[in-house]
Amino acid sequence: QKEVEQDPGPLSVPEGAIVSLNCTYSNSAFQYFMWYRQYSRKGPELLMYTYSSGNKEDGRFTAQVDKSSKYISLFIRDSQPSDSATYLCAMSASNYGQNFVFGPGTRLSVLP
Amino acid sequence: GAVVSQHPSWVICKSGTSVKIECRSLDFQATTMFWYRQFPKQSLMLMATSNEGSKATYEQGVEKDKFLINHASLTLSTLTVTSAHPEDSSFYICSASGISVGRIGELFFGEGSRLTVL
Repeated sequence: QKEVEQDPGPLSVPEGAIVSLNCTYSNSAFQYFMWYRQYSRKGPELLMYTYSSGNKEDGRFTAQVDKSSKYISLFIRDSQPSDSATYLCAMSASNYGQNFVFGPGTRLSVLP
Repeated sequence: GAVVSQHPSWVICKSGTSVKIECRSLDFQATTMFWYRQFPKQSLMLMATSNEGSKATYEQGVEKDKFLINHASLTLSTLTVTSAHPEDSSFYICSASGISVGRIGELFFGEGSRLTVL
């Protein structure tokens, strides 16, 4: 079993839809949870940063962490074509970047 | 947010030659820089961690003599792929973290460098 699992997609949705992206993990020591957006042939950019369990909202984006289920989610409301990208989850037991474990990413296409 | 610049963004070279990729933190001092490799439709694989002024720490399975990493200053790290071969063709990405910038442990990524070895 991989340490972090993520459905690679591709996921296609119409503009305006609510998008749900998910990752599961096996390491109960993970405390820091991140979502990155990566456009084609570009470096990842941080979208959401969450410590421990709970929800966090930033504009159209909501991140949820359920440590009891070892499951994290990213919701995108009112999705736009500009949201088309690959979304990577990342997590770590410490706040030291060396220990970050990335999921394989989910490719999202938002169709106009 | 903090900016990390990576150069070149795309390089094509002949088999057997060496290629250097630069990673610069433009507006902050990067105490630690990380180098990743990413194959199509796959995740980021950490290759090595470098701290300014010290030798890089390589992940298991990464050849130190093949991928030379230098972190000579707080704003610059370089990755040199020596004697490149077609199997080294990949997307290489750096990231950096620093003191008093971003959230604790936050990583700032460069734009990535696509290496194609003929």
